[in-house]
Amino acid sequence: AQKVTQAQTEISVVEKEDVTLDCVYETRDTTYYLFWYKQPPSGELVFLIRRNSFDEQNEISGRYSWNFQKSTSSFNFTITASQVVDSAVYFCALSKGGFKTIFGAGTRLFVKA
Amino acid sequence: GAGVSQSPRYKVAKRGQDVALRCDPISGHVSLFWYQQALGQGPEFLTYFQNEAQLDKSGLPSDRFFAERPEGSVSTLKIQRTQQEDSAVYLCASSDQPYRTTYEQYFGPGTRLTVT
Repeated sequence: AQKVTQAQTEISVVEKEDVTLDCVYETRDTTYYLFWYKQPPSGELVFLIRRNSFDEQNEISGRYSWNFQKSTSSFNFTITASQVVDSAVYFCALSKGGFKTIFGAGTRLFVKA
Repeated sequence: GAGVSQSPRYKVAKRGQDVALRCDPISGHVSLFWYQQALGQGPEFLTYFQNEAQLDKSGLPSDRFFAERPEGSVSTLKIQRTQQEDSAVYLCASSDQPYRTTYEQYFGPGTRLTVT
């Protein structure tokens, strides 16, 4: 069975702090895909990144970076120099390529000015 | 361009009523997904359409839930004889990729259903 665990329910930081959101996944498949989505107060989930299981290279996009480690089944997301606009719920998700995507319960990030 | 839209944004139904939730995907997107998001939880898969074909409905909680996409564009999720446990946000997502969830999905703002 597939499972995504986001152990941090809520995180609160002060603007300009760095913050890491944890994601641990379970799957028996050798080919799978991992995602991060952002859900702002408006409600729609916004795609941030996709990573396949054969690509363990870390990725950086502006203030965002992702650390994928198959050895620990983790796909963590770091926001550097956080801003108030980063306040949202962030979801980690897993797909083995079929029709279903399994989402974690989400981490609510509060960034205070 | 226009994103995924959903209507209504909010729906209050009395227990036992039928409701219909609409999703307008991004034009030309072949894949359409419905999800149910309970308060404080991540989205849970309900059903998947490729064009007008419903290829997976394994996530529908009961036979009171029914979805259709007759012309391969707009989709409707219908819930009959609503129960309180149906209260949730219903999200629609579309993708320009067929079959697979290996690519990103584009989500609508959701319909918040409250059953009283």
